[in-house]
Amino acid sequence: QSVLIQPPSVSGTPGQRVTISCSGGNSNIGNNDVYWYQQLPGTAPKLFIYRNNQRPSGVPDRVSGSKSGTSASLAISGLRSEDEADYYCAAWDDSLSGAVFGGGTQLTVL
Amino acid sequence: QVQLVQSGAEVKMPGASVKVSCKASGYTFTTYGISWVRQAPGQGLEWMGWISPYNRNTNYAQKLQGRVTMSTDTSTSTVYMELRSLRSDDTAVYYCARDSSGAGPYFDSWGQGTLVTVSS
Repeated sequence: QSVLIQPPSVSGTPGQRVTISCSGGNSNIGNNDVYWYQQLPGTAPKLFIYRNNQRPSGVPDRVSGSKSGTSASLAISGLRSEDEADYYCAAWDDSLSGAVFGGGTQLTVL
Repeated sequence: QVQLVQSGAEVKMPGASVKVSCKASGYTFTTYGISWVRQAPGQGLEWMGWISPYNRNTNYAQKLQGRVTMSTDTSTSTVYMELRSLRSDDTAVYYCARDSSGAGPYFDSWGQGTLVTVSS
């Protein structure tokens, strides 16, 4: 059981907007920044969102991140087939003195 | 550009040890920490620990304390991760990642991954 909780899967049609939630606690999301990673099949993860809502260069502006209290979410609008991937949230956990990940969410573009 | 190149796949017997390398290039090696993250087949990501190439400080995941050692060689800009007393559930792809934060999983570059298979 992962420390951060994500839905196992979400889906949407091309052009739609989807959101992926990430739920934690006071020792992780409630007190630290949230990061999101995109993992395409058979490849290494890639930084997708940093410090809750910042996009690295190369990540399109139809991608956004937000955080409120002990939860965070990733939103992708204008869904495209190339968005089909696994997405993981991550944060530092003060109680564990280590980084923790969510279990991952598989995004399917129908 | 930043590159992290890892060593090749390994097959080990239960109880053995494995040492995976991660060679960095394209940036000042001692400026960023390196974390190791593993992913068992069909499973999610698991943080294993972190090392600072600057002062060799380490921070290991509680679950792996006593079995994992991370080290660096600044002369070759290489970080190593050694895992001992291997079990079948250590079978996974092991990734190194450049860590751009002091606290918080800000991994902005990743190695290609090294598959470690533990089997008798």
